Amino acid sequence: DIQMTQSPSSLSASVGDRVTITCRASQSISKYLNWYQQKPGKAPKLLIYNTSSLQSGVPSRFSGSGSGTDFTLTISSLQPEDFATYFCQQSFSTPPTFGGGTKVEIK
Amino acid sequence: EVQLVESGGGLVQPGRSLRLSCAASGFSFDDYAMHWVRQAPGKGLEWVSGITWNPISSGSIGYADSVKGRFTISRDNAKNSLYLQMNSLRPEDTALYYCAKDRNAASTYYFDFWGQGILVTVSS
Repeated sequence: DIQMTQSPSSLSASVGDRVTITCRASQSISKYLNWYQQKPGKAPKLLIYNTSSLQSGVPSRFSGSGSGTDFTLTISSLQPEDFATYFCQQSFSTPPTFGGGTKVEIK
Repeated sequence: EVQLVESGGGLVQPGRSLRLSCAASGFSFDDYAMHWVRQAPGKGLEWVSGITWNPISSGSIGYADSVKGRFTISRDNAKNSLYLQMNSLRPEDTALYYCAKDRNAASTYYFDFWGQGILVTVSS
């Protein structure tokens, strides 16, 4: 199975900050990397698929980049509603696997 | 509006069985693959199983190694429903189980809509 490693596991930031979360795959997954946002007590929500494609309805302050084994999720200007946990997930091979999550907290 | 509503969870003893259901609405159910994903309390996400839009051929159903041989996924396109039959349950199966829609008819593992989840607790 492909292992997905996220860093950091948590971070504190202020509204308006630029936030970057990284995700590393244990082997090349080409562009097949997706990002999800999960708020407490809620289901995950797909934000970005295939590294950089924004899911419909997702604000443009979210962006993704990378290829192969190293990927990044960037929030250009953190908003109050963005405080949540973010997961990366590879859709390159079966089984699909998720990173451990990055919790974004209010500073 | 896409809606996925899970049911059938609860407290069950180790070794017993449980059947989860997911009622889908707001989209053409038989055009998409569907999945079960679980999340143990305070933990990350784990894909459990997936099924293509029309599972009549080999390779149209997949399972995580952790549940293979114990869990069975199925769907009834006429009833817009997805199921997960869970046998020989273990304490480590305790989790919130989500029903998730794929973006495609085949299992391509883009989970674009999720239900709210149903809790399964395996304990004596």
